[in-house]
Amino acid sequence: ELKVEQNPLFLSMQEGKNYTIYCNYSTTSDRLYWYRQDPGKSLESLFVLLSNGAVKQEGRLMASLDTKARLSTLHITAAVHDLSATYFCAGYNTNAGKSTFGDGTTLTVKP
Amino acid sequence: SAVISQKPSRDICQRGTSLTIQCQVDSQVTMMFWYRQQPGQSLTLIATANQGSEATYESGFVIDKFPISRPNLTFSTLTVSNMSPEDSSIYLCSVGLAGGPTDTQYFGPGTRLTVL
Repeated sequence: ELKVEQNPLFLSMQEGKNYTIYCNYSTTSDRLYWYRQDPGKSLESLFVLLSNGAVKQEGRLMASLDTKARLSTLHITAAVHDLSATYFCAGYNTNAGKSTFGDGTTLTVKP
Repeated sequence: SAVISQKPSRDICQRGTSLTIQCQVDSQVTMMFWYRQQPGQSLTLIATANQGSEATYESGFVIDKFPISRPNLTFSTLTVSNMSPEDSSIYLCSVGLAGGPTDTQYFGPGTRLTVL
């Protein structure tokens, strides 16, 4: 059974700083997702990563996937307050037909 | 992409009663999922509802407590039966688009349930 572990669970950053959120998964995952959730809101899809070495970037966020290490990272560059949210990674197993979510990383960006 | 609406958006219910949550999608989708998210926590999959077949429930969730209907490719309902305060949570409907490798899951706005 696929298990997904994120760290850190809580992250407080200063504006302008860089940081990385890590997502480890236990067994083969056919794709890896990153989602953003604002307080009181639903989940918004950020990235879908399909293959080893995949890198996707959108604004100040960059996600990468290392299937050999079973690791995905979400890198935040020069953080701004608008990035404050909870970020979830999720692995998807085609045979099981479902996604497994990590516990989420709550990011707070302070001025 | 897919746009998902849920009704009700929130409700306060008495112990022992049942609530049916509706999920409507603006396009035909094969896979629909129901999740529960307790405050400050991650998502827990309740069941997968594919049209034309019985819903598949995850460990810890049973049909008698969470009956699901999936009458067509754009609509599903989840009922929370015989509610207790432990059922207070946000319930999210989600769809997966099985078209291509870049397809992701889309989530509805959620139903915030409080059981007194």
